[in-house]
Amino acid sequence: RKEVEQDPGPFNVPEGATVAFNCTYSNSASQSFFWYRQDCRKEPKLLMSVYSSGNEDGRFTAQLNRASQYISLLIRDSKLSDSATYLCVVNKDQGGKLIFGQGTELSVKP
Amino acid sequence: EAGVTQFPSHSVIEKGQTVTLRCDPISGHDNLYWYRRVMGKEIKFLLHFVKESKQDESGMPNNRFLAERTGGTYSTLKVQPAELEDSGVYFCASSQVVGGGGYTFGSGTRLTVV
Repeated sequence: RKEVEQDPGPFNVPEGATVAFNCTYSNSASQSFFWYRQDCRKEPKLLMSVYSSGNEDGRFTAQLNRASQYISLLIRDSKLSDSATYLCVVNKDQGGKLIFGQGTELSVKP
Repeated sequence: EAGVTQFPSHSVIEKGQTVTLRCDPISGHDNLYWYRRVMGKEIKFLLHFVKESKQDESGMPNNRFLAERTGGTYSTLKVQPAELEDSGVYFCASSQVVGGGGYTFGSGTRLTVV
């Protein structure tokens, strides 16, 4: 079983749609959680950290459920520029090692 | 602020040859990481430097891979001899602090072994 598992993609949605990505992690002792975004043939870039209380950044809302070991990302009012691969990332022990999910590809169409 | 710089951006080598990848972290970042994505798989951790010391090298696949960070500035990752399964994108990242996730990644080196 992978340490971080994500919804298989791709997600194809029209502009303006709301889309949700889910992620589960296997290690209950995991400490920190993040969503990264990766554009085609580019490097991953931090989108947002994920906190137990849930957090929002503009059109993006991230949620963490420690009991279920589940992380989500909600994107409202999708833009064409949101098209990318979204990576669920976990830091198990506050050390330097990040554990990546395989990513979910999002394609927003006009 | 200059970002994380990796060189070369692409490399095509034959099986059995040697390749050296270079990473220049953001100035002042003591923490430097190497990650790799092979085709169809997730990005995987290779190792973590704190200044010039290897803090965690648990992700290094085998002894054909050698990472160095002399002087605690730039780092090199040497693959010798390269095998077909080493093909992939090698990312370097750096951070000021450890434990958060706000790492800055370089644009990667795409390595193809033929």
